[in-house]
Amino acid sequence: DGGITQSPKYLFRKEGQNVTLSCEQNLNHDAMYWYRQDPGQGLRLIYYSQIVNDFQKGDIAEGYSVSREKKESFPLTVTSAQKNPTAFYLCASRSRGGGNQPQHFGDGTRLSIL
Amino acid sequence: QQPVQSPQAVILREGEDAVINCSSSKALYSVHWYRQKHGEAPVFLMILLKGGEQKGHEKISASFNEKKQQSSLYLTASQLSYSGTYFCGTIQWDSGYALNFGKGTSLLVTP
Repeated sequence: DGGITQSPKYLFRKEGQNVTLSCEQNLNHDAMYWYRQDPGQGLRLIYYSQIVNDFQKGDIAEGYSVSREKKESFPLTVTSAQKNPTAFYLCASRSRGGGNQPQHFGDGTRLSIL
Repeated sequence: QQPVQSPQAVILREGEDAVINCSSSKALYSVHWYRQKHGEAPVFLMILLKGGEQKGHEKISASFNEKKQQSSLYLTASQLSYSGTYFCGTIQWDSGYALNFGKGTSLLVTP
């Protein structure tokens, strides 16, 4: 079955530590996205990538970094500069066609501070 | 620019109807609607591309007023399975097709 796989499902970060969230898709989608979800805040865009080796900052990119070396993979690193990383992180992808194609979401990673 | 959703929350009895609104201050290319159950990923419902366009999905339909930059989601004869949080996502003409999501409308359908 085609889909988006996020791992791990739960992640704990210590102070001063960088952690990386994995996002893999086998839908052959060109565009991939990372969102952060906090209670009552909706989904806020962190980074997005429309093609391999290219990505753009979203609304809340500070303290995060990404890479897009392969079409299938778009990992997100939460750096120690992100002082409030506790949230639900969602990865999404979309096929070509721009704004008339839906985004498909993974099941998310819940990140907490130890 | 984050779209504004209203109401923030609504409680219905099974079989009742509800309307959820989404408005933007920017010119929109498209409006997307998603439903999310607690702790799960958002699930795509529908996309509206053109002003005046209406779409239906079982007993859930939506409209898009391009002039007012507003979209409304209509839930008729609600079922218990309709409970969840509904998000609208908007794409502006100059956004590179990245979705801006509203804060969501929490819908609870009771027996």
